[in-house]
Amino acid sequence: AQKITQTQPGMFVQEKEAVTLDCTYDTSDPSYGLFWYKQPSSGEMIFLIYQGSYDQQNATEGRYSLNFQKARKSANLVISASQLGDSAMYFCAMRELWGSGTYKYIFGTGTRLKVLA
Amino acid sequence: NAGVTQTPKFQVLKTGQSMTLQCAQDMNHEYMSWYRQDPGMGLRLIHYSVGAGITDQGEVPNGYNVSRSTTEDFPLRLLSAAPSQTSVYFCASSYSEGSGNGYTFGSGTRLTVV
Repeated sequence: AQKITQTQPGMFVQEKEAVTLDCTYDTSDPSYGLFWYKQPSSGEMIFLIYQGSYDQQNATEGRYSLNFQKARKSANLVISASQLGDSAMYFCAMRELWGSGTYKYIFGTGTRLKVLA
Repeated sequence: NAGVTQTPKFQVLKTGQSMTLQCAQDMNHEYMSWYRQDPGMGLRLIHYSVGAGITDQGEVPNGYNVSRSTTEDFPLRLLSAAPSQTSVYFCASSYSEGSGNGYTFGSGTRLTVV
C-alpha cells in the first residue's frame, strides 16, 4: 500500500488564483510529520512547510498553507495568489517511526503545477 | 555557503563499474539520507544515517553501500553499476530525526549507466 498518495499528476492554475494540491497518507505511527517540497525545473528541492501530527492548527508559511484533516489522513497544500514562479513539481512527504526505532521520510510521486499568465 | 554539497553533478558509468557519490554538509546535521528520483516514482529512500557510525537501509538499498565515519560526510557507493541505477540521486540532511525544519537537499547527481 502506498504510504503517501498524490493523485494529481498535473495541475493548471491561473495566475493570482489559489490552488490546492492533494496529499493523503497512511501510517500507524501516532507521532508523524508531514512536509511539502517544491522542485523547480532547475532540479533543486526546496522545503516549503511542515505539519506535526499533534499540531492543532494548520501550518502556514506566507502564501503556503497546509489543510490538515487528521481523521481523513489528508494534508493538502494550498497556494494562494499563484505566481508564475510557482510553476514546479510539488512533493508531499511523511516522516514516521519505523521498526528499527528511527524515523524515515517517504515521498509521494509528485504533482506538476503550471501557472498560466 | 552552508548547505549540502554533492559531487559530481553528472556521471556516466559503464555497466559493472563502481563509483562513489560524495555528500558533505557543514550544518552539523545528525540525520542524512540518500534518495533516488525516477520519473513517475517520486523520491525513494536508499539509505539513511542518524549519526556518525550509524546507518540503515531504506526502501531500495540493493546495489548501494553507505558509511558515516564523520558527521559531515555520507558517501554512497555503487558496487557494480547497472542500467537500472540510471537516476538522479539526492543527498539530504536535517538537524535531527524529529525535526520539523525539513530536509536541506544537495543539488543532485545525474547518473547514467550504459
